[in-house]
Amino acid sequence: DADVTQTPRNRITKTGKRIMLECSQTKGHDRMYWYRQDPGLGLQLIYYSFDVKDINKGEISDGYSVSRQAQAKFSLSLESAIPNQTALYFCATSPSGNAISTDTQYFGPGTRLTVL
Amino acid sequence: QKEVEQDPGPLSVPEGAIVSLNCTYSNSAFQYFMWYRQYSRKGPELLMYTYSSGNKEDGRFTAQVDKSSKYISLFIRDSQPSDSATYLCAMSYMDSNYQLIWGAGTKLIIKP
Repeated sequence: DADVTQTPRNRITKTGKRIMLECSQTKGHDRMYWYRQDPGLGLQLIYYSFDVKDINKGEISDGYSVSRQAQAKFSLSLESAIPNQTALYFCATSPSGNAISTDTQYFGPGTRLTVL
Repeated sequence: QKEVEQDPGPLSVPEGAIVSLNCTYSNSAFQYFMWYRQYSRKGPELLMYTYSSGNKEDGRFTAQVDKSSKYISLFIRDSQPSDSATYLCAMSYMDSNYQLIWGAGTKLIIKP
């Protein structure tokens, strides 16, 4: 079984709809991240969480919110989806500790989201 | 100007060639340098990790960091079709709480 799972894998929705993307991990890591990936732009950090009670905005948090329900679960919500949120979304985890630990991020398979 | 610049490619080379992938950066505070590999329809995975300047070798892969020029490279020797993927560079420093700053990724195609 995969260590980092994301649901759904693909989603098509309409402008204005609320949508939630879910991430679960069995690696026992404290740190979890949500990224979006657009062609030619690389990975952009949306939100990150160092533990259940520590949630932080990334570089592109506007229009998104998150919930860390447990150490193993981190959900991303789009309150009112818009077409420019069409992208590939990745969840990632890393352990706490020294730099090499925290820099080694483990990614889920991604969710391809299309907003019409 | 983005903090980390990386040519998106695609870079197409014949099997067996030596491949050179590069990133430049502007923030001299970066201390930790990584290369992640991303296959199509998959999430990235860590390939190489280097601290500060110098070289690191792992099999057919060599990572090189030149902090004076703010330039990092990944070399692949004896390239194989299975090396076809997108290669993303990433960097961090302690005072950023180890948040990774990513390059855009270079798509590499190895032709049999």
